[in-house]
Amino acid sequence: NAGVTQTPKFQVLKTGQSMTLQCAQDMNHNSMYWYRQDPGMGLRLIYYSASEGTTDKGEVPNGYNVSRLNKREFSLRLESAAPSQTSVYFCASSRAEQYFGPGTRLTVT
Amino acid sequence: SQKIEQNSEALNIQEGKTATLTCNYTNYSPAYLQWYRQDPGRGPVFLLLIRENEKEKRKERLKVTFDTTLKQSLFHITASQPADSATYLCALDLDTGRRALTFGSGTRLQVQP
Repeated sequence: NAGVTQTPKFQVLKTGQSMTLQCAQDMNHNSMYWYRQDPGMGLRLIYYSASEGTTDKGEVPNGYNVSRLNKREFSLRLESAAPSQTSVYFCASSRAEQYFGPGTRLTVT
Repeated sequence: SQKIEQNSEALNIQEGKTATLTCNYTNYSPAYLQWYRQDPGRGPVFLLLIRENEKEKRKERLKVTFDTTLKQSLFHITASQPADSATYLCALDLDTGRRALTFGSGTRLQVQP
């Protein structure tokens, strides 16, 4: 039982490059989330998915897209990375309490 | 706008003492409030959930109170240990229809041996 897994753990991109962050959970949760965490800002919700086949914007969705591939997997895509997207990205899944992955540390130069 | 406030200054206490962390919120009546622990370089880990109709909840050395009149939750760690040193985040469901949480920025606790 791995819980929530994320790949990659670290990534460096140049401005304008694209990438997809992968997330998977094995707890059979309906709801999944993507957050970013910046110093002094706390966790901010980017997108969430209440169930397979549905996605909704969170607090800071600009510059991101998501795909709920199936019940287990929820990916986050940066189409054209910007330095402002340098952050730590966390995926989570939940029933009521949330279970977080280990995070992806992304640097955009 | 919704706001969650946690003391941004680190809390330093001696081992064995009780640590008390505060979470204040404005402009909303959440159905429940949650507390998480986050260690450096890791994702948050769920600790406790307390519902709006519960005044207090306990789990081992942890105690959470929820005062919906004051719009405040207190998080207590009794008999604190150096291993309790971490950042503690509170989170509220500020929009129950979305089933999404809004997190405070956290308070760092340092327990000195």
